[in-house]
Amino acid sequence: SQTIHQWPATLVQPVGSPLSLECTVEGTSNPNLYWYRQAAGRGLQLLFYSVGIGQISSEVPQNLSASRPQDRQFILSSKKLLLSDSGFYLCAWMSLGGARTDTQYFGPGTRLTVL
Amino acid sequence: GQNIDQPTEMTATEGAIVQINCTYQTSGFNGLFWYQQHAGEAPTFLSYNVLDGLEEKGRFSSFLSRSKGYSYLLLKELQMKDSASYLCAVEGGSYIPTFGRGTSLIVHP
Repeated sequence: SQTIHQWPATLVQPVGSPLSLECTVEGTSNPNLYWYRQAAGRGLQLLFYSVGIGQISSEVPQNLSASRPQDRQFILSSKKLLLSDSGFYLCAWMSLGGARTDTQYFGPGTRLTVL
Repeated sequence: GQNIDQPTEMTATEGAIVQINCTYQTSGFNGLFWYQQHAGEAPTFLSYNVLDGLEEKGRFSSFLSRSKGYSYLLLKELQMKDSASYLCAVEGGSYIPTFGRGTSLIVHP
């Protein structure tokens, strides 16, 4: 069965510090991968998505970047965190199962607080 | 652009039935997701509709009308554990789901 891992689970970082969040998927190959951010009381905002190794699309211009060094690894980074980067970061993968069975699964998330 | 609307909050009684509506205006449509998200946790997949009509999965059912840009999630025999946020997401072109803000459902005894 497929599983998705994220770490760390929680993180408290000072403003201006760097960030690296990692996501790995098991049990599937060549998945579509996504990074979302959910601010307190708000909906899910798509940050990046990737359809393959080295292929990254950015949805929102900001001080974050993403990389996909391996098929099942997706990394979210920042060189200098801002207060507004605080939120719940979710990695997801999508199983493209044809006309009726597309399914998107989420990792457990990383709660980031920037102070 | 994408626009997805859901009520912000709903309340219901344990054992009752509740319908959570979602209307959307999107450029491109491949399908519509419903997710459940408990406080502090990641969303969990409930359903995916691509054709018009009702899809039933136990106590949860999801309906889609593509011509009306409308979907609803129907929860039957409500339980206290159903108190959560319910997220509607539309999958446009390129397999990119766009999420609504979610509906916070409060189930009381």
